[in-house]
Amino acid sequence: SQQGEEDPQALSIQEGENATMNCSYKTSINNLQWYRQNSGRGLVHLILIRSNEREKHSGRLRVTLDTSKKSSSLLITASRAADTASYFCATDTGANSKLTFGKGITLSVRP
Amino acid sequence: GAVVSQHPSRVICKSGTSVKIECRSLDFQATTMFWYRQFPKQSLMLMATSNEGSKATYEQGVEKDKFLINHASLTLSTLTVTSAHPEDSSFYICSARVGSGKEKLFFGSGTQLSVL
Repeated sequence: SQQGEEDPQALSIQEGENATMNCSYKTSINNLQWYRQNSGRGLVHLILIRSNEREKHSGRLRVTLDTSKKSSSLLITASRAADTASYFCATDTGANSKLTFGKGITLSVRP
Repeated sequence: GAVVSQHPSRVICKSGTSVKIECRSLDFQATTMFWYRQFPKQSLMLMATSNEGSKATYEQGVEKDKFLINHASLTLSTLTVTSAHPEDSSFYICSARVGSGKEKLFFGSGTQLSVL
C-alpha cells in the first residue's frame, strides 16, 4: 500500500528559485528519506531524517519532519538546471528493513 | 559511497524467453538486496527481498515462479524473469544496504526490459 504521497506531482521553476516538495505518510516511522532519480536511472539517496529530528540540512537541501502531521518537506535552495529529476520520499517503519516509496515529484528547472 | 552495479541496462526480448538481470555490490558485502519494479512516471514497487544463502521473500501479488531470485553470494543477486510477456515490460531496479542496521539504500542503475 502507498505510504508516502508527495505533492505537487510536478513542479516547474526557474533556475535560482527555491523548490519545495512535500510528502505525507500514514503510519509511524523510524525515519524518512528523500531520493532523487534521473530519467531512466537508479535512485540516489539525498538525505535521511529520523523520527526524533525536526530539521536537517545538507548543502542546498533542507528537510523538515512533522510527525504530528505525518508530513515532511524537502527544500532545494538556489535551484540549478542539473536539479531536474524526479524526487521520492521513502518511509522506514522499521519492519523488515523495507522502505516504502511515494509516487514521486517531477522537478523541472528552467535555465 | 557504496556502488551497486546492475546489468544489463536495457534488454529487448521475444515473448516466451527468459531474461536474467544481475545486481552486484562492488565495494561492500550485501547480505540483503531489494528488487523493485517501476512503471513510467510511477513509484517503485517492491517485488522481493533477496537474502544471501536463503530463499527470497516476495511481496504479496508477486509470482515467485515468474520472478526467480538467486542470491548465491554476498555480492551478487540475480532476478530472472521467466517466460517473459509484454506485460512484464518495465524498469527493474535493485538496491542494497551497506551492513546491517544501516538505513539508506544504494541503487543500481536499473534495467529497462522490453518484451516484444
